[in-house]
Amino acid sequence: DAKTTQPNSMESNEEEPVHLPCNHSTISGTDYIHWYRQLPSQGPEYVIHGLTSNVNNRMASLAIAEDRKSSTLILHRATLRDAAVYYCILRDEGNSGGSNYKLTFGKGTLLTVNP
Amino acid sequence: NAGVTQTPKFQVLKTGQSMTLQCAQDMNHEYMSWYRQDPGMGLRLIHYSVGADITDQGEVPNGYNVSRSTTEDFPLRLLSAAPSQTSVYFCASSYRGGDYEQYFGPGTRLTVT
Repeated sequence: DAKTTQPNSMESNEEEPVHLPCNHSTISGTDYIHWYRQLPSQGPEYVIHGLTSNVNNRMASLAIAEDRKSSTLILHRATLRDAAVYYCILRDEGNSGGSNYKLTFGKGTLLTVNP
Repeated sequence: NAGVTQTPKFQVLKTGQSMTLQCAQDMNHEYMSWYRQDPGMGLRLIHYSVGADITDQGEVPNGYNVSRSTTEDFPLRLLSAAPSQTSVYFCASSYRGGDYEQYFGPGTRLTVT
């Protein structure tokens, strides 16, 4: 299974941009890169995902390296509500094969946002 | 839409007791899954289902059973609870597998004494 490596923790100041890195050197050509986050005492929530091109949505941007061995989640202006654990995840193929894949969560990066 | 709902929110069991954690979704999603999260850890996949009557094991399936008789419901059964199963359990659903966004429920906090 393709693995990801993230820093255990990062710190940011409110209203400043945050760049959360993720290394995935064994990524395969068809693996999508997903980002989820988990706020305290809540279930994870989807942030963004992409395959090759950079992606933007209302929550964040995803910058994917040209060789796809790393990616960066960008929060353009961190708020206190962005304090959470951020997970970078690659798709795994499930035992059923075909187009049915499961997501494998690592320990993620704990983001602290200072006021 | 209510999204993904889980009941109960909290549960305390004695060792050896059985119980079922309920999960339901009203988004007509094909794919549902159960995860557990131990303190300071990421989520680990227990079982998942890619459609009615189709289930498969995840990373930590021992001690848990699942079934999927309807698209909406995906209950998780603990046949004989053990202290090692003390954890927070999350149910998730998505339209399809890994390419699609997964929606998570609020979780069930289970303590086994």
